[in-house]
Amino acid sequence: DSGVTQTPKHLITATGQRVTLRCSPRSGDLSVYWYQQSLDQGLQFLIQYYNGEERAKGNILERFSAQQFPDLHSELNLSSLELGDSALYFCASSPRRGTGELFFGEGSRLTVL
Amino acid sequence: LAKTTQPISMDSYEGQEVNITCSHNNIATNDYITWYQQFPSQGPRFIIQGYKTKVTNEVASLFIPADRKSSTLSLPRVSLSDTAVYYCLVGDRADSNYQLIWGAGTKLIIKP
Repeated sequence: DSGVTQTPKHLITATGQRVTLRCSPRSGDLSVYWYQQSLDQGLQFLIQYYNGEERAKGNILERFSAQQFPDLHSELNLSSLELGDSALYFCASSPRRGTGELFFGEGSRLTVL
Repeated sequence: LAKTTQPISMDSYEGQEVNITCSHNNIATNDYITWYQQFPSQGPRFIIQGYKTKVTNEVASLFIPADRKSSTLSLPRVSLSDTAVYYCLVGDRADSNYQLIWGAGTKLIIKP
C-alpha cells in the first residue's frame, strides 16, 4: 500500500461525457502528479501540482483540467470524452520537490464507450 | 531536454542475474536516477534510486558510471514474479523548470 488513494477504481462512460478522478496523496506529501497510461503504453505525464500550485504541465489536452485543493487532495477533470481517452490514470505523490521518488496510487481505469 | 533510452524487452530465466541499462544524456547534474517496477494494471513501484557509483538494497543494485550518462539496474537471481515492466526515471532542469523524464519501459519476461 503506497498510501496514495485514487477513486473511482473503475469508470465506464460514454463519449461526450465528463468525469472527475480524485486523488488523496500520502500524508504530508505536497507534490501530486497525474499520468495517463493507455493499454501497453508507457506513462504519459499530464500535470503536476505542489502545495496547491501548478508546477509543470505535460501533454495534457485542453479538454482535461486539474486542481489541488488546500487539503492537498487533487482532482483531474476529463470532459468531452473520446474513445481514445480510455486509459489508466495514475496519481502519484512525492515528499519532496525535485526528486524522482514518487508513490503511485492503484489508478483509475476509464473506459469510454 | 534529457532523453532516456532503454531496451523494449528482455527475456531471462529463473535464478539468473538480469541487468537492464538505461541511457540518459543531459540529465540534471545534481539529480537522482530512479528505477520503478510495474505489474499489469498496477501503479509503478519504486525499486531503487542513486546518484553515482553503486547503490544496493534488498531487491536490486544500481550501477551509475562517473559520467552519469547511463545507469544499470541489476536484479539478482530473478524469479517468475519479477516479470514486469521496468522504467528508469531521471530529472531534467532545462529552462529552469524541473521535469521528470520517464523511459519507455523495458518489459522483462522471466521463464522457468
